[in-house]
This record gives sequence, structure tokens and C-alpha cells, in this order.
Amino acid sequence: NAGVTQTPKFQVLKTGQSMTLQCAQDMNHNSMYWYRQDPGMGLRLIYYSASEGTTDKGEVPNGYNVSRLNKREFSLRLESAAPSQTSVYFCASSATGAGNTEAFFGQGTRLTVV
Amino acid sequence: AQSVTQPDIHITVSEGASLELRCNYSYGATPYLFWYVQSPGQGLQLLLKYFSGDTLVQGIKGFEAEFKRSQSSFNLRKPSVHWSDAAEYFCAVAPASKLTFGTGTRLQVTL
Repeated sequence: NAGVTQTPKFQVLKTGQSMTLQCAQDMNHNSMYWYRQDPGMGLRLIYYSASEGTTDKGEVPNGYNVSRLNKREFSLRLESAAPSQTSVYFCASSATGAGNTEAFFGQGTRLTVV
Repeated sequence: AQSVTQPDIHITVSEGASLELRCNYSYGATPYLFWYVQSPGQGLQLLLKYFSGDTLVQGIKGFEAEFKRSQSSFNLRKPSVHWSDAAEYFCAVAPASKLTFGTGTRLQVTL
């Protein structure tokens, strides 16, 4: 029962470095999401993919890019990391839109940019 | 745009006491409403959801929530809190395909 798997779980980057956060789901879900969680701000949507081959910006997309590689995988890329991107990142998936079906979340990636 | 307000940042209750976590939403029509729970270092787990119909919905772990259209509220309740309920709770709204979360309420349970 893997569900939504995120890698890595922890990462420290230097300012200006790039990295890709990986997310895979094994539930045959159409929709996938990337959120960031910061203290006192709840979870904010970065990007989402309603279906394979489509991606759309969320609330806080600046500084990020995404790729919906196939139905299972949805990656988040930081091209030039900044300290403001220090956060916990969550990937989620849902059968259809997260508004009308349950969204399942990964365990998170804790990213620190120094 | 839709929004969610959770006015209580931190709540402390004694084990066995009742609990009510507040959630207010802003949206032009009736949205889909959710409560999620996050234990320390973990992802989010769905407690319950409201789409339509009966305004009192039952969830897992003994939680329930009541949708009140006139107050734009969707408060979470539990009659008797257990120490294992200590966690952070998020209310979320979704008029379409995207979830918008509140800022969360951290629940502390004292023994």
C-alpha cells in the first residue's frame, strides 16, 4: 500500500542550486498536486495537474516548474533555490479533482536552502 | 476566490473533554468542505468531507462536523478527546478541482 511516495525526505541546498522533487502514486489517479507548508500559513498550492499532459499554476508558482511525466509521476523542480523556498513540500493525488474526491498525501519533503 | 479561516491557532483540552475546532469559509455557492489531520512529521489524512445532503457528517476517529450555510461554517467536533488526537487540523474548501486550506489549528491534549 504505497499510495503517494515522495523522494527525498530531507534535502539541504545552497542558494542557487537546483533540484527536483519526485512524486509517484500507484492509485491510478488522474490529478496530482504540489503544496508547500510553512508555519502559520497552512498548505499553499504551487502547481497541479488535472490529468496526464496538463499542468496549471496554483497560488505560489514563482520559482518552480513541474513535469507530469506520465500518469504516475509528477515532479517539482527548483531551478535556482532561494532561502524563501525553505519549506516542507507535499505531493498529493486524487482520482479526479481534489474538490470532489479524497486527496491522498505523501509524507513530505523537508527542504532547507542555506 | 475561495478562502478558509481557522481562527484558533492553538487549542489545549484535557483528555476526555469535548472539542470544537472552528472553520469559516468564503465562497459564492456551496463548496465541498473537508477536514484533514496531520500528525507530527506526517502527511495529511482525511477526517471527513461534506459534499451535499445531511449537514452533519461523520468521519473517522469519532469526529463529526456540521455544515451551517447561514454562518458559512464547518466546525469539527469530538465528544471526548483522546491523547492520540494531539495533532494539527486543517479545514479545506474546494469549489472545483483545487483544495484551499486554512492555516490550521494545533491541538494539544493534556492528561
